[in-house]
Amino acid sequence: QVQLQQSGAELAKPGSSVKISCKASGYTFTSYYISWIKQTTGQGLEYIGYINTGSGGTNYNEKFKGKATLTVDKSSSTAFMQLSSLTPDDSAVYYCARSTLDYWGQGVMVTVSS
Amino acid sequence: DVVMTQTPVSLSVSLGGQVSISCRSSQSLVHNNGNTYLSWYLQKPGQSPQLLIYKVSNRFSGISDRFSGSGSGTDFTLKISRVEPDDLGVYYCGQGTQYPYTFGAGTKLELK
Repeated sequence: QVQLQQSGAELAKPGSSVKISCKASGYTFTSYYISWIKQTTGQGLEYIGYINTGSGGTNYNEKFKGKATLTVDKSSSTAFMQLSSLTPDDSAVYYCARSTLDYWGQGVMVTVSS
Repeated sequence: DVVMTQTPVSLSVSLGGQVSISCRSSQSLVHNNGNTYLSWYLQKPGQSPQLLIYKVSNRFSGISDRFSGSGSGTDFTLKISRVEPDDLGVYYCGQGTQYPYTFGAGTKLELK
């Protein structure tokens, strides 16, 4: 069965970076893009962007350009998202999802606090 | 970006009852290819969103026929019949016709 297993919760200091992972199983990894979504109580669900798992090409929501960097390791069927220059506004749950958002990971809570 | 407006914000229902959730988009969701990429998701407490309906009215794998989607253009509806305890949570509509993907603010379904 299709599964997207994300890494564990992160506590980070303002100005630092975090890199979270999303390991796919149960399907041909390179046949589907991986999308990333941010969820907060205030802003709801926000689409960050996606990565073409075959070519490594990316497409970011304008709002998240410069904040998120998406990469992929085909050998381990894992997608990554690095969030940089963290501020408290980046505190959220971050989900990965298969291309058309049909399957979602369990989410990673990122907390930015000094 | 396309703005998705869901109503109501919350809904109380009795078990076995029927409810409808409305979702309106700020622009037509008909893609150049003729498809309408409007989906519905349910987020149960403590879980990630799960896909229920895609392309307006298509039930995702394993989804009960108690869930039905309808609509066109900018106006869409999700109906849930014979509500069960496992149906409770927050329902979101989302559009994938125009990049970036955008979501409604959610409708919380609670027991009366």
